Amino acid sequence: EDKVVQSPLSLVVHEGDTVTLNCSYEVTNFRSLLWYKQEKKAPTFLFMLTSSGIEKKSGRLSSILDKKELFSILNITATQTGDSAVYLCAVENTNAGKSTFGDGTTLTVKP
Amino acid sequence: DAGVTQSPTHLIKTRGQQVTLRCSPKSGHDTVSWYQQALGQGPQFIFQYYEEEERQRGNFPDRFSGHQFPNYSSELNVNALLLGDSALYLCASSLMGDYSNQPQHFGDGTRLSIL
Repeated sequence: EDKVVQSPLSLVVHEGDTVTLNCSYEVTNFRSLLWYKQEKKAPTFLFMLTSSGIEKKSGRLSSILDKKELFSILNITATQTGDSAVYLCAVENTNAGKSTFGDGTTLTVKP
Repeated sequence: DAGVTQSPTHLIKTRGQQVTLRCSPKSGHDTVSWYQQALGQGPQFIFQYYEEEERQRGNFPDRFSGHQFPNYSSELNVNALLLGDSALYLCASSLMGDYSNQPQHFGDGTRLSIL
C-alpha cells in the first residue's frame, strides 16, 4: 500500500525565517510527487517532481526529489504571514489521478 | 476557463440519511477522482471515474458509490451516514493518458457535517 509521511506535523516561525518541510514515501510504480498548499479549501498546486536531483523553484519556494532515498523537501525562504497554511505532499502512481497524501505540515508564520 | 466546480458548498445531515455530492470537471478533462479529507488529515482517495466507469477504488465501504455522466461530470453518493463521514469531500479532475505530466485540478470541496 502506498504511504506518505510528512514532518514536522506543525511548525511555528517568524517572518523572514527559512523553513524546510520533509516528505518521505513508499509507492509502487512511481509517477510523480506533488506539493500542495491548502488554506481552508482546495489544495493549490505548487510543484510536480518526477526526476531526482532537479530543483524546482517558484519565487521563494523550491523543492527537490531524491528517488533513491524516497524523499522530498520543500523550502520556503523569507517566510511571510501569507505562507501560513497546511502543506501537503502526495505521490501519484502510474495511474494518474490516484494520489496518496500525507497528513500535511501546518505552518504558522508570526509577524 | 472554468475550473473544477463542486456543489453544494456545505451540507448538514443526520445519521442514517443519504447524501449526493456533485462535481463538474475542468474543461477538457475526462477523469474525476473523489477524496475525503477529515479534520487534521490529508485527503484520502475514495474512487476514480473514467468513461462512466469506476476505475480505481480506495479503502472505503460500499456505502460510498458514484457515477459519471456522458458530459464527464460526476456524483458521489453516501448511504447510511455515520458521524465519521463528517469531512471535506474534494473532487479532482484530470485527463486520462495525459503524458504532459499535468497535475490534477481540485475543486473547493463540499463540507459535510453529520449530526
